[in-house]
Amino acid sequence: GDSVTQTEGLVTLTEGLPVMLNCTYQSTYSPFLFWYVQHLNEAPKLLLKSFTDNKRPEHQGFHATLHKSSSSFHLQKSSAQLSDSALYYCALSLQGTGSKLSFGKGAKLTVSP
Amino acid sequence: AQTIHQWPVAEIKAVGSPLSLGCTIKGKSSPNLYWYWQATGGTLQQLFYSITVGQVESVVQLNLSASRPKDDQFILSTEKLLLSHSGFYLCAWSLGGDAETLYFGSGTRLTVL
Repeated sequence: GDSVTQTEGLVTLTEGLPVMLNCTYQSTYSPFLFWYVQHLNEAPKLLLKSFTDNKRPEHQGFHATLHKSSSSFHLQKSSAQLSDSALYYCALSLQGTGSKLSFGKGAKLTVSP
Repeated sequence: AQTIHQWPVAEIKAVGSPLSLGCTIKGKSSPNLYWYWQATGGTLQQLFYSITVGQVESVVQLNLSASRPKDDQFILSTEKLLLSHSGFYLCAWSLGGDAETLYFGSGTRLTVL
C-alpha cells in the first residue's frame, strides 16, 4: 500500500548546524507530500506541502523538494534554531482522497545550544 | 476565522467504562472532519473521517465509533474502554479537496487504568 518512511526516533543537533530529515514514499500514483510539526503540548500543524509544479515550498527557513525519481521529500534547513525542537511528521495523501493522510512514524528533533 | 474546540482536555477512565470525546468546528460550513489517535511516542493514526453530516467512514478498527450529528460536531465514543485506548486523540478539519491542509484541535489526553 501507499506509505511513507521517514527519519524516526530522536535526532539531536547543535544550534546553527543544518537540519536534514529524510522522507521517502511508496505509491502507485503521484501523491502529495507534507511535513507537519508538533511542538511540545501543542497540536500538529502544517509546515510544508509539495506542489504539483515542482516549486520548492519553504516556510520558517525549512524547505523540501519533491523528487519523483527517488520518491523523496526530505526536509532541510540550513541552520537549526532552539525553537525548531519538535516532532516532525512526513505524510502522504493521494489524488482523489481529499485529506486522508498517512503519517510517518515521526522524528523528535532536539536542538541544543 | 475558523476555530476547532475539543473536549475534554484530559480524561482518566477505568477499563470497561464508556467514553465520549467531542469536537466542534466554528466558522466553516461542511468541513471534512477527522479523528486521529496518537499513542505515547507513536505516530498519528487516522481513525475516522466524515465528509458530511450523518456519514462517517472508519479507517482503523479499534473498538471505537464516531458520529457526526451536526455539520460542526464530531463525536468519538465507545461503550467499553480498553487499556490500549490510552493516548492522545486529535480532531481535525480540512476543506476537503486534494492536498488540503489539516487543521488540528488541541487534543484530548486519555489515560485508561
